[in-house]
Amino acid sequence: DAEITQSPRHKITETGRQVTLACHQTWNHNNMFWYRQDLGHGLRLIHYSYGVQDTNKGEVSDGYSVSRSNTEDLPLTLESAASSQTSVYFCASSEWRDQGYTFGSGTRLTVV
Amino acid sequence: AQRVTQPEKLLSVFKGAPVELKCNYSYSGSPELFWYVQYSRQRLQLLLRHISRESIKGFTADLNKGETSFHLKKPFAQEEDSAMYYCALRNYGGSQGNLIFGKGTKLSVKP
Repeated sequence: DAEITQSPRHKITETGRQVTLACHQTWNHNNMFWYRQDLGHGLRLIHYSYGVQDTNKGEVSDGYSVSRSNTEDLPLTLESAASSQTSVYFCASSEWRDQGYTFGSGTRLTVV
Repeated sequence: AQRVTQPEKLLSVFKGAPVELKCNYSYSGSPELFWYVQYSRQRLQLLLRHISRESIKGFTADLNKGETSFHLKKPFAQEEDSAMYYCALRNYGGSQGNLIFGKGTKLSVKP
């Protein structure tokens, strides 16, 4: 069965370190998205991609970067982790605009 | 600017009572709206979208363009409905449209 997986499920890192969160989908979806979920803020869009080699900034992109070298993967990199980036991160994908998103199970990141 | 507002952070009802989770949006064109649900420690799941006009797990939502609302309703709440609910609006600014989410409403159904 097709799926979307995120790894790791939990991560603790130190301030200033570079961290990469993985997202892998086997739906062959063109569109992939990264959101962060915070109490009182809901889900906010970080970056998104509409296809290979395409990346776009979302609402809260500062301090984050993504790359799309193939259809299946959209890794999210925190260049220099900050405590404000402690959050739950969700990856999602969709095939086309007439569909909703399929979400991954999330990565809980703690920056200490 | 396109925006989704869910005015209630927490909604608490008793089992068997009717439920209405409010969602208001701001968008000048024809909106495309969704409801997502997140059960405890699980991933977000699509509950329903207005263009399909379907009923999932007893929930329905009607788009009211005059009031710019897309409230989620269920006539008789069940304890298993306890979850976080997010309303989302398709952003047509991009070529394929990403989703803008509200801040969510936590529904608690008491026995």
